Amino acid sequence: DVKVTQSSRYLVKRTGEKVFLECVQDMDHENMFWYRQDPGLGLRLIYFSYDVKMKEKGDIPEGYSVSREKKERFSLILESASTNQTSMYLCASSIYYEQYFGPGTRLTVT
Amino acid sequence: AQSVTQLDSQVPVFEEAPVELRCNYSSSVSVYLFWYVQYPNQGLQLLLKYLSGSTLVESINGFEAEFNKSQTSFHLRKPSVHISDTAEYFCAVTDPGNNAGNMLTFGGGTRLMVKP
Repeated sequence: DVKVTQSSRYLVKRTGEKVFLECVQDMDHENMFWYRQDPGLGLRLIYFSYDVKMKEKGDIPEGYSVSREKKERFSLILESASTNQTSMYLCASSIYYEQYFGPGTRLTVT
Repeated sequence: AQSVTQLDSQVPVFEEAPVELRCNYSSSVSVYLFWYVQYPNQGLQLLLKYLSGSTLVESINGFEAEFNKSQTSFHLRKPSVHISDTAEYFCAVTDPGNNAGNMLTFGGGTRLMVKP
């Protein structure tokens, strides 16, 4: 069965902290994605990766970076967390346009 | 760039009533279309998809959607909803001819609230 896992379901961080969100997929998918989900705005793409060590900016990359050192793992990094980054973060992997999502991490920055 | 509009942010409906969730996308030569569902406190799950062939596609739990190229729409319907259908529904689109990395563009979501 397809599985995408995210390191935390809930996370509370302080302004200015460096935050790591981890995502692991067990399907050998080449493509992986990070989205943030906010009410009324749907899902907005932050970054995606189509191969190990390859990354592309999405629609809202400012304030974020990513790392993909292994095929199964895609990390989202908030270099210096700010309150406007409080959101639900969703990771996905895909094959043939069908995306499989993790359960999400609800991040609160205080 | 593609865009997706879900015209209703919330749709309240009584149990066993029919429902339609509307989705319109910006025009393109070719499109793949998807509906995803997100139950409370969960990630998104694929509900159904249109890639080619019959314009009417169905899910295993009674939902269906029809691809209408002339109206650039992909509305989701169910003839009789259950309490368990309460969730947020997202429409998504991609242009397969111009898409590195299999990216999807998502609509803003429609919250379906089924009342007893």
